[in-house]
Amino acid sequence: DTEVTQTPKHLVMGMTNKKSLKCEQHMGHRAMYWYKQKAKKPPELMFVYSYEKLSINESVPSRFSPECPNSSLLNLHLHALQPEDSALYLCASSPPTAVLGDTQYFGPGTRLTVL
Amino acid sequence: AQSVTQLGSHVSVSEGALVLLRCNYSSSVPPYLFWYVQYPNQGLQLLLKYTSAATLVKGINGFEAEFKKSETSFHLTKPSAHMSDAAEYFCAVSDRGIQGAQKLVFGQGTRLTINP
Repeated sequence: DTEVTQTPKHLVMGMTNKKSLKCEQHMGHRAMYWYKQKAKKPPELMFVYSYEKLSINESVPSRFSPECPNSSLLNLHLHALQPEDSALYLCASSPPTAVLGDTQYFGPGTRLTVL
Repeated sequence: AQSVTQLGSHVSVSEGALVLLRCNYSSSVPPYLFWYVQYPNQGLQLLLKYTSAATLVKGINGFEAEFKKSETSFHLTKPSAHMSDAAEYFCAVSDRGIQGAQKLVFGQGTRLTINP
């Protein structure tokens, strides 16, 4: 089973709201990733967790706050977002950790709209 | 830093025709290269991956790619296009971030359209 699940599928929020995106995998992977994808563009890496520790933060604004409570779960907490943050947010995981050449498996994404 | 360049943001072929999507890489070390496909409003699905075991890599859905070091290329091909192949295709290379963890660096993508 190479499935990464993401909830919700769609999210509409105002600029003053606080919301969270959730990502889950049960493949025993120890690296998990958040990407942001704007329309007609490739995914852009935001964060990498390796063994539940933040390994890469690609200079993402603090209104995005990642959390990895355990090896299967990855959250992205959203607060005071801007309309330009509207995008498809993709989660991925890779075995066994973030080693060069590991295959990343992607979830279906959460379509976020900020009003 | 490693990078990939996809030549052609949009490719259109007739059903049954050859599909050729181009990707060139830039890397100071032997690269790990990937092709992913993205259908509308979906996540990315791995088509195939090059890890130096063989220069011709076969993937899912009848796709294959050939690694050519002399040309720094990793082009994706399929002998006969099907309507269901219409999607966005991304070439990617595995790179190492500042803190040591790996990350994927994507090309700009190629949108494949299939004409009936």
